[in-house]
Amino acid sequence: GQQLNQSPQSMFIQEGEDVSMNCTSSSIFNTWLWYKQDPGEGPVLLIALYKAGELTSNGRLTAQFGITRKDSFLNISASIPSDVGIYFCAGRGSGGYQKVTFGTGTKLQVIP
Amino acid sequence: KAGVTQTPRYLIKTRGQQVTLSCSPISGHRSVSWYQQTPGQGLQFLFEYFSETQRNKGNFPGRFSGRQFSNSRSEMNVSTLELGDSALYLCASSLGWGQGPSYEQYFGPGTRLTVT
Repeated sequence: GQQLNQSPQSMFIQEGEDVSMNCTSSSIFNTWLWYKQDPGEGPVLLIALYKAGELTSNGRLTAQFGITRKDSFLNISASIPSDVGIYFCAGRGSGGYQKVTFGTGTKLQVIP
Repeated sequence: KAGVTQTPRYLIKTRGQQVTLSCSPISGHRSVSWYQQTPGQGLQFLFEYFSETQRNKGNFPGRFSGRQFSNSRSEMNVSTLELGDSALYLCASSLGWGQGPSYEQYFGPGTRLTVT
């Protein structure tokens, strides 16, 4: 099935560091979503973006909808141990019939 | 407000059997989507229902089917199970169907299916 390219695949960072991850697609999307998944749980919606160029924050998290509409970025500032998990981007094209496509995920591990 | 609930949480089946998974969306949500999550393939879209009608379908064989009831609850069925069907099956609900905030999906905890 179709998937978005998400990078990096995994990262180890020190507590307090900032984190950046991104997602790219060959298709144009009208909606970008960022989720976090903890082990044994379903993904939790972090941020939703609806306009090209849009920059939205949720606490220490900031996400941007790329101008080309083919990419999106997520930044986490001052990471803490509970940020550990897998982060997924997801995109949806135009038209009500477009399904949501998920990225391959970025596994984040925070070293205290 | 209660979140999305999925039952059962864990299931072990034998190859060749069939299975039915259930999803109750957040109260007031009318759209339900199903996803299969495996380590190798990631999150793959199965189907999406709105107002009891299938609005979208992923690239899965006909052994995978679903339905939605008038109270928005949804079930998915997998017939003639194969070993490769072992996965976490996730259900997500949203207020509506289409674009914009009404489409923001909220996931349940999933059903872990193991096929032996």
